Amino acid sequence: DTEVTQTPKHLVMGMTNKKSLKCEQHMGHRAMYWYKQKAKKPPELMFVYSYEKLSINESVPSRFSPECPNSSLLNLHLHALQPEDSALYLCASSQVWDRGAGYTFGSGTRLTVV
Amino acid sequence: AQTVTQSQPEMSVQEAETVTLSCTYDTSESDYYLFWYKQPPSRQMILVIRQEAYKQQNATENRFSVNFQKAAKSFSLKISDSQLGDAAMYFCAYRSARSGAGSYQLTFGKGTKLSVIP
Repeated sequence: DTEVTQTPKHLVMGMTNKKSLKCEQHMGHRAMYWYKQKAKKPPELMFVYSYEKLSINESVPSRFSPECPNSSLLNLHLHALQPEDSALYLCASSQVWDRGAGYTFGSGTRLTVV
Repeated sequence: AQTVTQSQPEMSVQEAETVTLSCTYDTSESDYYLFWYKQPPSRQMILVIRQEAYKQQNATENRFSVNFQKAAKSFSLKISDSQLGDAAMYFCAYRSARSGAGSYQLTFGKGTKLSVIP
């Protein structure tokens, strides 16, 4: 299995809703990432988990709450989002020890906040 | 901090022809990795090719090759025999080889949108 699977593919939520994005990989990668990508822009790093511990939080607002329950799963809990949070949310994974291997990305969740 | 610059927002190429996408970067490090990622309309970021800074030999993957000029801090991507499926946004990216939290950062350029004309 050489894939990163993200669900759902599309999500529309109101500003008072609570929802979660899910990411799963079975490649044995111990680093997992959340990126946010606006249209026609490069991805922006949000969070990094290394060995299931939060390693980097790029000053992301608290309405985004990541969780890494095990080495294969990464969640992003969403609450009280704003319309400007509408974007493509990409999950990625990589080997911790092989920095030259690159990241494996999922297909993303297209989030629309109304 | 490292920066990656892609100076061509859009490019087009005739099917079966060759096209070169430009990328320059700025870093004070001597050991690092460079990548080209492709993002088609399907949205998934796909790794096209990678280069290790300490290797002088340019990387090649089938129709994709790079021209890595370390002194000039240049990392261009050449696509030969272009196909319709090559149409996508292409991102150049930099990753430090040092240990620690900084090595998790993948610094992207702003991207080049490639169109392939039948």
